[in-house]
Amino acid sequence: QQQVKQSPQSLIVQKGGISIINCAYENTAFDYFPWYQQFPGKGPALLIAIRPDVSEKKEGRFTISFNKSAKQFSLHIMDSQPGDSATYFCAAILNNAGNNRKLIWGLGTSLAVNP
Amino acid sequence: DGGITQSPKYLFRKEGQNVTLSCEQNLNHDAMYWYRQDPGQGLRLIYYSQIVNDFQKGDIAEGYSVSREKKESFPLTVTSAQKNPTAFYLCASSYAGYGYTFGSGTRLTVV
Repeated sequence: QQQVKQSPQSLIVQKGGISIINCAYENTAFDYFPWYQQFPGKGPALLIAIRPDVSEKKEGRFTISFNKSAKQFSLHIMDSQPGDSATYFCAAILNNAGNNRKLIWGLGTSLAVNP
Repeated sequence: DGGITQSPKYLFRKEGQNVTLSCEQNLNHDAMYWYRQDPGQGLRLIYYSQIVNDFQKGDIAEGYSVSREKKESFPLTVTSAQKNPTAFYLCASSYAGYGYTFGSGTRLTVV
């Protein structure tokens, strides 16, 4: 119930195309859904995040779409660039009793954008 | 600039040796975390600490130990009991458990 399932495991997109990464969850107690971007040899960095009462959030070329009834959310990267080549992680935050929050990670998607 | 500093960037451990990875933050975050990253397995939580002088085991704590004597520092010791320590180790901190900031990681290799 605490899992976040991420797909695909790897993705190859042509420059200028749309990259789409999907995540699904079961636990309705999750209350925050961040996406992280990680370049090789570096730590993950927060890219964009959404709360479950919002259906879409856009920041530049990056958009999160959130479907609460289906318990699914996805990251769309418009006009994908070679510099977007990285590993992307979806995550969900479980707000336990006493504001003890736990971050549950997806397994990551390795994105390669061909020039 | 505020951030998290992990050192060293690369570390080599001999069999049976304990090694300590350093993590320092100047973000004034209360919570700090240690993760292990292996190819294809995402990030797995080793230990976390929400306040000074207190820490909790994560999902894969066996063979590791931590301390939290100062708010800014959360060192991780990889003990000889950890049978497969070769991995990329990431330290993170957060404010109120939402926005996580990560360091640049330490790559530990057993030689």
